[in-house]
Amino acid sequence: DAGVIQSPRHEVTEMGQEVTLRCKPISGHNSLFWYRQTMMRGLELLIYFNNNVPIDDSGMPEDRFSAKMPNASFSTLKIQPSEPRDSAVYFCASSFTGLTEAFFGQGTRLTVV
Amino acid sequence: TQLLEQSPQFLSIQEGENLTVYCNSSSVFSSLQWYRQEPGEGPVLLVTVVTGGEVKKLKRLTFQFGDARKDSSLHITAAQPGDTGLYLCAGENTGNQFYFGTGTSLTVIP
Repeated sequence: DAGVIQSPRHEVTEMGQEVTLRCKPISGHNSLFWYRQTMMRGLELLIYFNNNVPIDDSGMPEDRFSAKMPNASFSTLKIQPSEPRDSAVYFCASSFTGLTEAFFGQGTRLTVV
Repeated sequence: TQLLEQSPQFLSIQEGENLTVYCNSSSVFSSLQWYRQEPGEGPVLLVTVVTGGEVKKLKRLTFQFGDARKDSSLHITAAQPGDTGLYLCAGENTGNQFYFGTGTSLTVIP
């Protein structure tokens, strides 16, 4: 298995632009997580999907952030409009109910200038 | 949000020294994991502890889960430069969600 695949690896965009981050979870996993990592706040859980349904989005910072999971093999995290304070590394992780481990992708480093 | 505090935040030691990293929370978790993250990569699981008081060993690394399942420690014996990295604890709640600690950045100097 190729593991969790995220794209792009790096994204530089101007303030106000829309940004879409993509994730392909490990085949067979039914849980998907989006995290944001910064030096100041560490690894924050943004949203959690189970069986393609958003279960907890309380970590999503504000309405500019939205996430979708149209099927079991694909998820997106969208920021519109982006702001410089959104600059961070965004990780997608997947797991399976009862499996006490989250498998991470390599992350997307987002820079908003 | 279920907060996990790790200490110390930064640690720089000489090769061969021992160290302990702590992970504390006011929440009870169904399991607790320790991950290691290297630059440019996502965290990778080292160990999972489930039972209060449980101790697990992984070569030179010893992991302990507190009796009340709210805290944990990671002890490294005779640290080596290859141990350098960011160590993260994570608590799993009953809803299968993983909340990560603030992290400990370890540097082992040859």
